[in-house]
Amino acid sequence: QQQVRQSPQSLTVWEGETAILNCSYEDSTFNYFPWYQQFPGEGPALLISIRSVSDKKEDGRFTIFFNKREKKLSLHITDSQPGDSATYFCAASGGTGGYKVVFGSGTRLLVSP
Amino acid sequence: EAAVTQSPRNKVAVTGGKVTLSCNQTNNHNNMYWYRQDTGHGLRLIHYSYGAGSTEKGDIPDGYKASRPSQENFSLILELATPSQTSVYFCASGGQNTLYFGAGTRLSVL
Repeated sequence: QQQVRQSPQSLTVWEGETAILNCSYEDSTFNYFPWYQQFPGEGPALLISIRSVSDKKEDGRFTIFFNKREKKLSLHITDSQPGDSATYFCAASGGTGGYKVVFGSGTRLLVSP
Repeated sequence: EAAVTQSPRNKVAVTGGKVTLSCNQTNNHNNMYWYRQDTGHGLRLIHYSYGAGSTEKGDIPDGYKASRPSQENFSLILELATPSQTSVYFCASGGQNTLYFGAGTRLSVL
């Protein structure tokens, strides 16, 4: 049973376009949603995060939109750059799960120059 | 800078053999985690720990044991390795809401 789902599995955009990565979750008690970025051969690293009390979080070209009612969130990457090519994981924690952190299956993003 | 070190980085094991993956963190974090990463499955939680002496089962604990002898060290043990356990394993330590990952251990069970 997958508690966190991501789509699409892979995404290709042109340099300068906006990439949209989607995530949904099942446990309504989750209250913290980080996105991690992973480059080949490395471990994931925190990119941006949002708490369930907010509906939007911005950090430069990266923005999370959060819909608590629908249990969905999305990561928007504006003005995509080739250096953004990586795998992006949506994760969830908190609530009844405590410090247990659950990850989605990831979206592999390729930004073509 | 937060630091999580995994060893070994690469390991080839035989079916039925015992494998121990080690993880050391210098972040002084209470929480530590072991995940495996497989194509199409993302990161799946095997075991985690809230502090020295504690271990908790994650979502896929079968076939794995964990040991947390100290704040800094967290090991993942495969008592009888099977080919299905071929994967990349990541250890992480948890700060305030942020996980810091090691570089991973690539395990092949032949």
